[in-house]
Amino acid sequence: SQQGEEDPQALSIQEGENATMNCSYKTSINNLQWYRQNSGRGLVHLILIRSNEREKHSGRLRVTLDTSKKSSSLLITASRAADTASYFCATSDRGSTLGRLYFGRGTQLTVWP
Amino acid sequence: NAGVTQTPKFQVLKTGQSMTLQCAQDMNHEYMSWYRQDPGMGLRLIHYSVGAGITDQGEVPNGYNVSRSTTEDFPLRLLSAAPSQTSVYFCASSYSFVSGTEAFFGQGTRLTVV
Repeated sequence: SQQGEEDPQALSIQEGENATMNCSYKTSINNLQWYRQNSGRGLVHLILIRSNEREKHSGRLRVTLDTSKKSSSLLITASRAADTASYFCATSDRGSTLGRLYFGRGTQLTVWP
Repeated sequence: NAGVTQTPKFQVLKTGQSMTLQCAQDMNHEYMSWYRQDPGMGLRLIHYSVGAGITDQGEVPNGYNVSRSTTEDFPLRLLSAAPSQTSVYFCASSYSFVSGTEAFFGQGTRLTVV
């Protein structure tokens, strides 16, 4: 399995601080995506970064990808209590044309007011 | 827009019972899939479909059947429920089966098998 692995498993910060989550994976990928899951809800797509990209921004989100280290990081700047959720990375296999996504176990982020 | 709709939201089954989890999407997406989410395990792919009439197995298909008679619907059938199938089930869709497309998820079905 080329399931991504997020690190840390849990992260607790104060509002206004930055939150950084990391994802490592095992094989060559086409792209890597980050999703957010609020408690009791479905996953919501945040951002996608392709294998030929190194960095991508979306609002307060910054994603980096290092294919040589097979790792990615998600940075949330100026965090808010509403950012409290689980965050998952998902990879798409370079050898597959079927668009299957492989999810990690997630990072539980808690932002305290 | 409704997006991906799953029903029911909650279900309790007795061991050996069968049931169907419904999933419908109104975005004309080709690709649909079912995942289960267990504590500490992330999401694991059960079955997927790349279009009407075409389905295939994912990582954990045993005990589940699927069919795709229309583009919109992708039901998941539990043939004979077991306690090991207690989980939260998510249906997802994306506009193409070509890799690199965003997946849209339903709100989930929380299933308990007693």
